[in-house]
Amino acid sequence: EILMTQSPATLSASPGERATLSCRASQSINSNLAWYQQKPGQAPWLLIYGASTRATNTPARFSGSGSGTEFTLTISSLQSEDFAVYYCQQYNNWPLTFGGGTKVEIK
Amino acid sequence: QVQLQESGPGLVKPSQTLSLTCNVSGGSISSGYYSWTWIRQSAGKGLEWIGRMYPSGRSNYNPSLESRVTISLDTSKNQFSLKMSSVTAADTAVYYCVREQWLGYVDYWGQGTLVTVSS
Repeated sequence: EILMTQSPATLSASPGERATLSCRASQSINSNLAWYQQKPGQAPWLLIYGASTRATNTPARFSGSGSGTEFTLTISSLQSEDFAVYYCQQYNNWPLTFGGGTKVEIK
Repeated sequence: QVQLQESGPGLVKPSQTLSLTCNVSGGSISSGYYSWTWIRQSAGKGLEWIGRMYPSGRSNYNPSLESRVTISLDTSKNQFSLKMSSVTAADTAVYYCVREQWLGYVDYWGQGTLVTVSS
């Protein structure tokens, strides 16, 4: 099973700031990585797939990069609705696995 | 717009079988481009893939749960189901039914249903 490790566990930032979230895979997953956003009491919501392709309705301030084992989700300018938990997920190998999440909170 | 809605008991006794159904609207589960999948989320284990079923009948289950899990499709009702046997408190979680793209990422999620295992 591929282990997905996200860092930091919590990121404190102010609206308007840039946020950079990291995700590391225990072995190469090529570009088979997705990012999701989850708000309290809601299901996760797809932001990015293929490591860098924005899903439908994902704002342009969200961007993904990386391949192999190291990936990054960048939020260029944090909006109030962006404070949430973010998960990465690999779909290169079965079973598909998620990272433990990064909580982006208001500073 | 595809919508998924889970239904089933919110409380299951230890050693019994957990049964959940997912009703799908806005799209057919017979479409060959997707698989129909169950994921759960608990405080202890985070997000965990349970298994998937394709319209062809092919399935994949998480090896950690495979001996206790069955996923089935009912194309006549546009529904799919999860059965998990011999549950314990460790199976307490929010269970999501989802549509999984053929590549392996999820583009539609149900709202989730909390299942508590307790006597």
